[in-house]
Amino acid sequence: DTAVSQTPKYLVTQMGNDKSIKCEQNLGHDTMYWYKQDSKKFLKIMFSYNNKELIINETVPNRFSPKSPDKAHLNLHINSLELGDSAVYFCASSQDGSRWAQYFGPGTRLTVL
Amino acid sequence: RKEVEQDPGPFNVPEGATVAFNCTYSNSASQSFFWYRQDCRKEPKLLMSVYSSGNEDGRFTAQLNRASQYISLLIRDSKLSDSATYLCVVNAGGTSYGKLTFGQGTILTVHP
Repeated sequence: DTAVSQTPKYLVTQMGNDKSIKCEQNLGHDTMYWYKQDSKKFLKIMFSYNNKELIINETVPNRFSPKSPDKAHLNLHINSLELGDSAVYFCASSQDGSRWAQYFGPGTRLTVL
Repeated sequence: RKEVEQDPGPFNVPEGATVAFNCTYSNSASQSFFWYRQDCRKEPKLLMSVYSSGNEDGRFTAQLNRASQYISLLIRDSKLSDSATYLCVVNAGGTSYGKLTFGQGTILTVHP
């Protein structure tokens, strides 16, 4: 069984479009995250939610809006896509955010044309 | 100074070699420490947590020196399958609840 899953795996779209990425975890964790890995392979946190409450928002443009309908799901909606949004987006989860390790989903490779 | 700094490598070693990676972090209040590995076009996977007392998992040994703000990973008897990027990761904890900061990664290639 996949612990942290994301859909879709690949997303190719035109500039200006709106798209969503979904994430689900079946680990019973309380905290979920979105990370962005750019072309230089640097991983950077975007958001974290603890039990559906937004905890971290790392100066991400407000075109990015996370939504957590329940603690097992954290979706990412992106409005008005730009070329610079092309990257791999990883979802992750952890038991809580204090000191536990995080477990990552397989990633969504977003290409904006 | 970067929050988490690693030597990017690449390290090219023969099978059976011992290789060591180092990492430094800038936030002295950091609470937890990890090594992850990332294969090409895959997600980061937890390799091991790092404790002050040092810990070992098979061929892998991790050490933490809080006074020097330094973390290390030692891989003994390298296998071809160890080829990957190794990420040093720090959780600041406290008001940075859950915020993992990743180093840029150290690339390891193990050759026959």
